[in-house]
Amino acid sequence: NAGVTQTPKFQVLKTGQSMTLQCAQDMNHNSMYWYRQDPGMGLRLIYYSASEGTTDKGEVPNGYNVSRLNKREFSLRLESAAPSQTSVYFCASSEISGSYTGELFFGEGSRLTVL
Amino acid sequence: AQKVTQAQTEISVVEKEDVTLDCVYETRDTTYYLFWYKQPPSGELVFLIRRNSFDEQNEISGRYSWNFQKSTSSFNFTITASQVVDSAVYFCALTLEGYSSASKIIFGSGTRLSIRP
Repeated sequence: NAGVTQTPKFQVLKTGQSMTLQCAQDMNHNSMYWYRQDPGMGLRLIYYSASEGTTDKGEVPNGYNVSRLNKREFSLRLESAAPSQTSVYFCASSEISGSYTGELFFGEGSRLTVL
Repeated sequence: AQKVTQAQTEISVVEKEDVTLDCVYETRDTTYYLFWYKQPPSGELVFLIRRNSFDEQNEISGRYSWNFQKSTSSFNFTITASQVVDSAVYFCALTLEGYSSASKIIFGSGTRLSIRP
């Protein structure tokens, strides 16, 4: 019963380096999300995806790109990391159908430090 | 603007006290969902409740209860007879209906609850 799996769990980058956070869910959910969590800021939505092949910007998309590779996987890419992107990143998935919105299921989080 | 406000940044109470966490939201939508999540010190996010905008019934689950009032755009969470294990950060969240079939789901900034023995 894996649920939502994120990799890596920890990463240290230097300013300007690139990296991709991977996320996969095994619950056959159609919607997937990437959030970042900073102290005192709560969870802020970076990007989300309604279905395979579609992505939309959230509240703080600048500096990030995403790819919904298939129904299971939703990756988040930092092309040129900046110290302001030091954060804990959470991937989540949900079942959304018509007027029904299910709860979010979260991964364990990925702690990223940019030096 | 559509947003979720959790004005209480931190709350500290003594064990067995009742405590209420406030959540006020703003939305233009007539159909929306509200959620509460718990984040214990271990860091995972635990789902507590989902409420549809058409269902204004209050809900009780053990020591937890939720008061949803559309008239004041509030969805408050009360813990009765608090316990040390309730110490966590609690988040309120709101769906924003978009033109696609997915909803954006946005969170408040959270309330850190500390229960002292």
